[in-house]
Amino acid sequence: EADIYQTPRYLVIGTGKKITLECSQTMGHDKMYWYQQDPGMELHLIHYSYGVNSTEKGDLSSESTVSRIRTEHFPLTLESARPSHTSQYLCASSEGQGDGEKLFFGSGTQLSVL
Amino acid sequence: RKEVEQDPGPFNVPEGATVAFNCTYSNSASQSFFWYRQDCRKEPKLLMSVYSSGNEDGRFTAQLNRASQYISLLIRDSKLSDSATYLCVVNTGGFKTIFGAGTRLFVKA
Repeated sequence: EADIYQTPRYLVIGTGKKITLECSQTMGHDKMYWYQQDPGMELHLIHYSYGVNSTEKGDLSSESTVSRIRTEHFPLTLESARPSHTSQYLCASSEGQGDGEKLFFGSGTQLSVL
Repeated sequence: RKEVEQDPGPFNVPEGATVAFNCTYSNSASQSFFWYRQDCRKEPKLLMSVYSSGNEDGRFTAQLNRASQYISLLIRDSKLSDSATYLCVVNTGGFKTIFGAGTRLFVKA
C-alpha cells in the first residue's frame, strides 16, 4: 500500500484567503505531482517535481505555486483563493520501472472557496 | 480531440457479467499504458499495466494494440465491488501522463 498523505481532507474557505495544501510521502520517491480534478472530469497536471529544489508547471495553467525543499514534502499554495479554485486537488508520487511510471495518489483535498 | 478518449458509460451490468471497456490514444509515441480504478470521491489507484502481449490479473485482462492505438480492459464474473470508474492512462515519457475521463461501471445484484 502506498504511503502518501494529504491534509486537510476537506477545506472550506472564504475568497482572498491564503491556503496551503500539504502532501507528504514516505516512499522516498523523487518524482511528485499535483493534479486537479473536477467531478466527472479527467485529472489535469498542474505541477510536478523531479526532486528537491526542482518544480515545473504542468499542462493546466494554475495560479497555485509549489515548493520541494525536502524529498518527502510537496506543498501547494494559493496566495489568494477564489471560487474558481474550487476543485479536488490530488497529490501523487511515482516510481519508474520497466513498464513506466506508476503513480500513487494521496486521498486528495476537496477545496471549496466561497 | 482529447489525447485519451474513453466511453464515459455508465455501464450497468448484473453480477457475473463480462464487461469490456475501450480506450483510444492519439500520440503514437506513447510509451506506457495503465488502467486505474477510482471509486466515488476517492483517489485513483493503479489496477494494472497494459502490454501488447496482453496481461491478466485474476478476473481482469488488459490488452494494447499499438497499431490501432487502442487499449482494452475486460472484467469477467463482475462483482458488486467492481463498481467504480475505470481510468485509461497513457504515458508519453517523463511526466507526460495523460488520464482519460473514465468509464463508469455499476454492477447490480
